[in-house]
Amino acid sequence: DGGITQSPKYLFRKEGQNVTLSCEQNLNHDAMYWYRQDPGQGLRLIYYSQIVNDFQKGDIAEGYSVSREKKESFPLTVTSAQKNPTAFYLCASNNRDGHYGYTFGSGTRLTVV
Amino acid sequence: SQKIEQNSEALNIQEGKTATLTCNYTNYSPAYLQWYRQDPGRGPVFLLLIRENEKEKRKERLKVTFDTTLKQSLFHITASQPADSATYLCALAGGGNKLTFGTGTQLKVEL
Repeated sequence: DGGITQSPKYLFRKEGQNVTLSCEQNLNHDAMYWYRQDPGQGLRLIYYSQIVNDFQKGDIAEGYSVSREKKESFPLTVTSAQKNPTAFYLCASNNRDGHYGYTFGSGTRLTVV
Repeated sequence: SQKIEQNSEALNIQEGKTATLTCNYTNYSPAYLQWYRQDPGRGPVFLLLIRENEKEKRKERLKVTFDTTLKQSLFHITASQPADSATYLCALAGGGNKLTFGTGTQLKVEL
């Protein structure tokens, strides 16, 4: 079955550490996105990529980095520069034509310990 | 500044009734609007997309309206069931097919 796989489901980070969240899709979608969700807030866009080897900053890119070396993969690194990284992270993908909605992964819950 | 507003208070309704959720927006001229369902601890699931030139879209028990003059979308679930209990998010498409999401409205359908 086609879909998006995010891993791990839960992740604990110590202060000062970088961590990488994985996002893989087998839907042959061109575009991929990373959102952050905090309690009581909407999803906020971190980074997005419309095509391989290209990506753009979203609304809250500071303290995060991404790469898009393969169409199927869009990993997100939460760096030590991100001051408040505890959140629920969601990866999504869709076709660039926008005729259909996003397909989301099941999310990664990151906690700073 | 651009804003998407959904009722932050939970909506409680009785089974069998029609649930109506509201999405208002300002300073947007969206090409289309989408509705998603999100269950606790899970990613959102796409439900419906409606374009700016469409007034209404239906899918099974779901109906969405889109009024670009009022800058408002209404999301209806008819014959609601306890299984419909979830948070419903509206999202607007800006440039580049990026979506901006509202904070969502929690729906609780009671027996």
